Amino acid sequence: GENVEQHPSTLSVQEGDSAVIKCTYSDSASNYFPWYKQELGKGPQLIIDIRSNVGEKKDQRIAVTLNKTAKHFSLHITETQPEDSAVYFCAASLSGSARQLTFGSGTQLTVLP
Amino acid sequence: EAQVTQNPRYLITVTGKKLTVTCSQNMNHEYMSWYRQDPGLGLRQIYYSMNVEVTDKGDVPEGYKVSRKEKRNFPLILESPSPNQTSLYFCASSDQARPSTDTQYFGPGTRLTVL
Repeated sequence: GENVEQHPSTLSVQEGDSAVIKCTYSDSASNYFPWYKQELGKGPQLIIDIRSNVGEKKDQRIAVTLNKTAKHFSLHITETQPEDSAVYFCAASLSGSARQLTFGSGTQLTVLP
Repeated sequence: EAQVTQNPRYLITVTGKKLTVTCSQNMNHEYMSWYRQDPGLGLRQIYYSMNVEVTDKGDVPEGYKVSRKEKRNFPLILESPSPNQTSLYFCASSDQARPSTDTQYFGPGTRLTVL
């Protein structure tokens, strides 16, 4: 089955700096890669996703890049703010959709004021 | 408001005492799923359901049961809980009718402790 590795497990940045979280996946047939943000005491919430026919996607301060050859994808957050502090999960799916996701182990991002 | 609800939010129980965690969604989604979240392991899928009366095992189904008698409800059943099932559980749903644009919506979580 699919295996997703996520790094780093914790990340601290100064407010205004950029943050990058990286994930690698094992199954080259995976074709859908979402990123979720989980705030304390809440369930994960989708923040951005990318499909295998696209190399990069951006939504305001958040961007995701996908390298299918190397089987890795990354989340980039620019101009970080304290409200970006949360746990971030990457995931991969063979179904082309949000079903049957394999998740990474999560990254605790702390934005220091 | 579109949402996924879970009950209870917190539960402490003892080994072997049957329990059910309820999950309900008001978005008319066909697809529903249960995950458990453990430190350092991310979220792992327990069971999923593509529609009413259609369920299938995820990655970690041992010790769990589910049922899907109605579209909106997807309860998780632990017939004989054990301490290794102590975890944070999430229910989720998504619209199967539009897989290319669907988003998986998660409930608020149920923290279960089995003593």
